[in-house]
Amino acid sequence: SQQGEEDPQALSIQEGENATMNCSYKTSINNLQWYRQNSGRGLVHLILIRSNEREKHSGRLRVTLDTSKKSSSLLITASRAADTASYFCATGSGGSNYKLTFGKGTLLTVNP
Amino acid sequence: KAGVTQTPRYLIKTRGQQVTLSCSPISGHRSVSWYQQTPGQGLQFLFEYFSETQRNKGNFPGRFSGRQFSNSRSEMNVSTLELGDSALYLCASSTGTVLYEQYFGPGTRLTVT
Repeated sequence: SQQGEEDPQALSIQEGENATMNCSYKTSINNLQWYRQNSGRGLVHLILIRSNEREKHSGRLRVTLDTSKKSSSLLITASRAADTASYFCATGSGGSNYKLTFGKGTLLTVNP
Repeated sequence: KAGVTQTPRYLIKTRGQQVTLSCSPISGHRSVSWYQQTPGQGLQFLFEYFSETQRNKGNFPGRFSGRQFSNSRSEMNVSTLELGDSALYLCASSTGTVLYEQYFGPGTRLTVT
């Protein structure tokens, strides 16, 4: 079953605009990660934020985490056509039986 | 370092047959996880192996099994294939510590006819 739920399911923007995707989850987590998947290919890890962190940056990516609301957001600034992909949040939980649980993803289309 | 490799990349099988998929993790990574991705169910966790031991398992029937070898390479087997097993099977490797990120392979596209 999915732990993370992304919102919106699909997002279409123009090149140069910012894209914001949200993720909500249900149970306590160790960390939350964002991945990107280009059509039908493997996933690429973008960023990991730990449960005791509130914000993290990596290049044009900014991730926030609000554990009280059990939600996270991914902001991509100055989007490019190459950013067109599906974006998934994944929650990491458990100790010795640690696993990642993925949401269903947001399909981002950046129009040139 | 070379990335995660999966073989074969594409596979067509008939209902009732069995299939074995292979995954070679990044050198030095001891954890290998398997996921099934379908349009309807999304990405679902199958199981994870660490140092040849299954450490975690998702909610899949016993027809889905796996193993890990001493060199950390992993195989996944699906017996008595059903049409619903058609999916992209993704393998991911990591160092295996608690707060880890996973590195995914390109996947094996399995089609069951």
